[in-house]
Amino acid sequence: AQSVTQLDSHVSVSEGTPVLLRCNYSSSYSPSLFWYVQHPNKGLQLLLKYTSAATLVKGINGFEAEFKKSETSFHLTKPSAHMSDAAEYFCVVTSLYGGSQGNLIFGKGTKLSVKP
Amino acid sequence: GAGVSQSPSNKVTEKGKDVELRCDPISGHTALYWYRQSLGQGLEFLIYFQGNSAPDKSGLPSDRFSAERTGGSVSTLTIQRTQQEDSAVYLCASSLDSGVGFSNYGYTFGSGTRLTVV
Repeated sequence: AQSVTQLDSHVSVSEGTPVLLRCNYSSSYSPSLFWYVQHPNKGLQLLLKYTSAATLVKGINGFEAEFKKSETSFHLTKPSAHMSDAAEYFCVVTSLYGGSQGNLIFGKGTKLSVKP
Repeated sequence: GAGVSQSPSNKVTEKGKDVELRCDPISGHTALYWYRQSLGQGLEFLIYFQGNSAPDKSGLPSDRFSAERTGGSVSTLTIQRTQQEDSAVYLCASSLDSGVGFSNYGYTFGSGTRLTVV
């Protein structure tokens, strides 16, 4: 069985300060992990993905995430927040194997607010 | 098309009526998914189509929900006898399935259909 937990429902940072959005996962099989962003009234956009290659994954808009198997974590970071980063972020796990292959399991989302 | 297209973008319907939501995936994408996002909730998996295989319907919440995918392309999600708890944003996603490495590609989402049942 697979699951994903986003540890914070809401994160607020000041513009120019670092961003950390936390995600822990559970998977019986080798997981693929994704972060998606959803701006208000927009569709979901893929930020980055981990698929068993490099554990440090760089995505769009300066975001990156590190896959840590020992901690079952895939936290999303950005060194310096921008006002345009304000959105909701979803951590997602899926797997090639197991009965639910193809299913994307979504976290409940973390709403990021950026203060001027 | 260039992206995943969903229609309508907004739908208001009366309780008890049937609704159809349409998804037009990216050309050549063999995998298609439906999700719904209720207010304050995460995304909930509904159904998954992969090529000509039988769909994975394990996420459909009740027998009022059904979906089909004609010709391996356009998909329609049908909700019969709508209830107020069906109000949500319904998202469709598609993915290029290369077989062994399918999950390497990520998924492209449409902008969703916002369904309001009054």
